[in-house]
Amino acid sequence: SQQGEEDPQALSIQEGENATMNCSYKTSINNLQWYRQNSGRGLVHLILIRSNEREKHSGRLRVTLDTSKKSSSLLITASRAADTASYFCATDVEAAGNKLTFGGGTRVLVKP
Amino acid sequence: ETGVTQSPTHLIKTRGQQVTLRCSSQSGHNTVSWYQQALGQGPQFIFQYYREEENGRGNFPPRFSGLQFPNYSSELNVNALELDDSALYLCASSTQRPGYTFGSGTRLTVV
Repeated sequence: SQQGEEDPQALSIQEGENATMNCSYKTSINNLQWYRQNSGRGLVHLILIRSNEREKHSGRLRVTLDTSKKSSSLLITASRAADTASYFCATDVEAAGNKLTFGGGTRVLVKP
Repeated sequence: ETGVTQSPTHLIKTRGQQVTLRCSSQSGHNTVSWYQQALGQGPQFIFQYYREEENGRGNFPPRFSGLQFPNYSSELNVNALELDDSALYLCASSTQRPGYTFGSGTRLTVV
């Protein structure tokens, strides 16, 4: 079973709009990471948020983490067609040591 | 600084055969992890190698095995291939700090 579950499974937006996706997980974590995957190829690391952090920004990305609710969100602002991809959250579980458990992903389509 | 390189990019094998997938780590990374990603799903952790020793294993049968070499490159071997082994196999290298660098993957099709 997967530790993280993303919601929604798919998202279609117009260029310039914001995209928000959520991730829920089940057990305590060291950190939570977000990755992007284009066309079923390799994953690209986007951002990491540690269990003692609540919010983090990187360019047009904003990630929040609520450990009491065991959930995280990824916001992409001012989306571009190039943001079209699948986005995955991955949890690094305490005592597991940098072995990630991925969710099923959110497929984002940004229409020009 | 080079990234993570995987070979081959695509592979077709027959059920029952054996396959070896290869991965070259990013320079300076001493840890390699392998993931299996079935179509439409998230990656699943297979195992991890740190300094040539297995350092954790996911829920995969023993016919999935691996090696890490002194230069930190790695191999994933799968014996007695089954149709359900068809997937994208991803290699990721890292240091002991969190965060991976992924390769582009090997697409394995078992027929």
